[in-house]
Amino acid sequence: EAGVAQSPRYKIIEKRQSVAFWCNPISGHATLYWYQQILGQGPKLLIQFQNNGVVDDSQLPKDRFSAERLKGVDSTLKIQPAKLEDSAVYLCASSSTVVQETQYFGPGTRLLVL
Amino acid sequence: AQSVAQPEDQVNVAEGNPLTVKCTYSVSGNPYLFWYVQYPNRGLQFLLKYITGDNLVKGSYGFEAEFNKSQTSFHLKKPSALVSDSALYFCAVRDMNTGFQKLVFGTGTRLLVSP
Repeated sequence: EAGVAQSPRYKIIEKRQSVAFWCNPISGHATLYWYQQILGQGPKLLIQFQNNGVVDDSQLPKDRFSAERLKGVDSTLKIQPAKLEDSAVYLCASSSTVVQETQYFGPGTRLLVL
Repeated sequence: AQSVAQPEDQVNVAEGNPLTVKCTYSVSGNPYLFWYVQYPNRGLQFLLKYITGDNLVKGSYGFEAEFNKSQTSFHLKKPSALVSDSALYFCAVRDMNTGFQKLVFGTGTRLLVSP
């Protein structure tokens, strides 16, 4: 079974530029998550989708971050404009809709904002 | 709101010795508890989880964890550490009573196993 795919793996941009990350979840997983992991911290949930609807985006900085999952499969997370403090690893995870099911994570995208 | 504490930034153990990585949690209802491991430049890999039932949970790579409701703890253990176990370990909790599947992670514990 293929795992969660993410691209790119690394990205370096200057502040005020925009950037987009892509995620393809495990086949058949209806729930998709984007997490931000700042160096030295645990992952923090940014947004959760169930199919193509948003379930929780309470910690997403909506003035600069946006995410979509138009067809209920793959997803894109965008930052525009980027700030220095956005430097982090962006992790995508997926799971089935069963509440106790495990979230499986992709390899992440490491973003450096200069 | 749920929270997780991992009181040790780093745990050092010699290869062959038993290891313990500590985790305590706080939720308003009943918890689902998870352990993940992260190797350098990799995503999080699932190790094990507690949902219900037996308090001792066995997972991947010889790891196990014990759920203790009275102490609100879920410590990760392994009887005999390997150098290859050196990595960053995260404990996470989900409140069973919430409608969402939001996981809250601890800050992580770095495990260093010396030869």
